[in-house]
Amino acid sequence: DQQVKQNSPSLSVQEGRISILNCDYTNSMFDYFLWYKKYPAEGPTFLISISSIKDKNEDGRFTVFLNKSAKHLSLHIVPSQPGDSAVYFCAATGNQFYFGTGTSLTVIP
Amino acid sequence: GAVVSQHPSWVICKSGTSVKIECRSLDFQATTMFWYRQFPKQSLMLMATSNEGSKATYEQGVEKDKFLINHASLTLSTLTVTSAHPEDSSFYICSASSGGGETQYFGPGTRLLVL
Repeated sequence: DQQVKQNSPSLSVQEGRISILNCDYTNSMFDYFLWYKKYPAEGPTFLISISSIKDKNEDGRFTVFLNKSAKHLSLHIVPSQPGDSAVYFCAATGNQFYFGTGTSLTVIP
Repeated sequence: GAVVSQHPSWVICKSGTSVKIECRSLDFQATTMFWYRQFPKQSLMLMATSNEGSKATYEQGVEKDKFLINHASLTLSTLTVTSAHPEDSSFYICSASSGGGETQYFGPGTRLLVL
């Protein structure tokens, strides 16, 4: 069964607005969470991460929020830019990596 | 949901030996499988893309004679690290796709340590 889920396969956002990508997980033992960005025909590249002891981590336009009680992770991109259009994977790790299935973000100019 | 497994999850081997890593799609037919290697700072490097029944397509800089990939069936792909050296120590992750879109299902990864 999928231990990390991204229930929205796609998302469209207007340029300049906020993009919110969501991720849910089932295993409370996960201690580190990551977001990857993937362009077509390329491997995923690391974007931002958060430890389970924190609830927020910010890096420029990207902010990751962690709600441990809800087992929910989200990535906020503000402001969204057309170059942000890609597939975003969330991942969780304890002893192994568990990836979501990805959300395809389209930022409309 | 779709599940991809990898075996083994951990492997320690001596320098010069070969190691085989299996990637299986447990409940769907994976027409395409991808092999990644994780480098420091958490970036995943795509090593190769394999389609069932055909030769793998390797990314630039990846030695195809060193990293042998076989995708003999719609549920199994293998990566063999031949004549492993300590610099091959890494985390290898596979993913599988049933085709027709960007959805990839990732395996849990295999940690390789070459002594």
